[in-house]
Amino acid sequence: GAVVSQHPSWVICKSGTSVKIECRSLDFQATTMFWYRQFPKQSLMLMATSNEGSKATYEQGVEKDKFLINHASLTLSTLTVTSAHPEDSSFYICSASQWTSGSLNEQFFGPGTRLTVL
Amino acid sequence: GQQLNQSPQSMFIQEGEDVSMNCTSSSIFNTWLWYKQDPGEGPVLLIALYKAGELTSNGRLTAQFGITRKDSFLNISASIPSDVGIYFCAGRSPGGSQGNLIFGKGTKLSVKP
Repeated sequence: GAVVSQHPSWVICKSGTSVKIECRSLDFQATTMFWYRQFPKQSLMLMATSNEGSKATYEQGVEKDKFLINHASLTLSTLTVTSAHPEDSSFYICSASQWTSGSLNEQFFGPGTRLTVL
Repeated sequence: GQQLNQSPQSMFIQEGEDVSMNCTSSSIFNTWLWYKQDPGEGPVLLIALYKAGELTSNGRLTAQFGITRKDSFLNISASIPSDVGIYFCAGRSPGGSQGNLIFGKGTKLSVKP
């Protein structure tokens, strides 16, 4: 299957700093990438959908100025958590999919990034 | 909004036993997906279902798309220790965007050797 990587796998930062998380599709071109967050023992919640070369679409309740998403190429999307606070501590997971024969394939998920804000 | 009820929440079984878990929704879906997530990892797609009544197998795993389009089940036969993990169902509603997957809360499976 398709491989999606994330970097870093974990990060600890001080409150007020910004953190950038990268999501890469390693063996396919991802026209669409998705960002989720997952709290301990909870399910995945979609934060935003990004299409290469265009602005991300954010889910209701997700602050676009706090969670900056850039999808500049077909293999890379980044999520920047700006002015992070302890309540932003979570497991952030990206997924990627591509258009084939006029339809969007199922999402392949990255391994996740554990963010801890002190 | 749409909700998915996944049950059971957790299971603790003996190696070799069969496992069954299911998801029900308050409205119809046109896609049901089953994922497994290991600790500290992202979900891995196990089985995808696209038609009501569809029954699909992947090794020891079998999943079905309910006729009512409001439910799906996943069975694991002859469980082994590496089946341990959290299993999530996910659904997509008609007219929903490809990214609009709604996830269940997961079933945590523990297998005793």
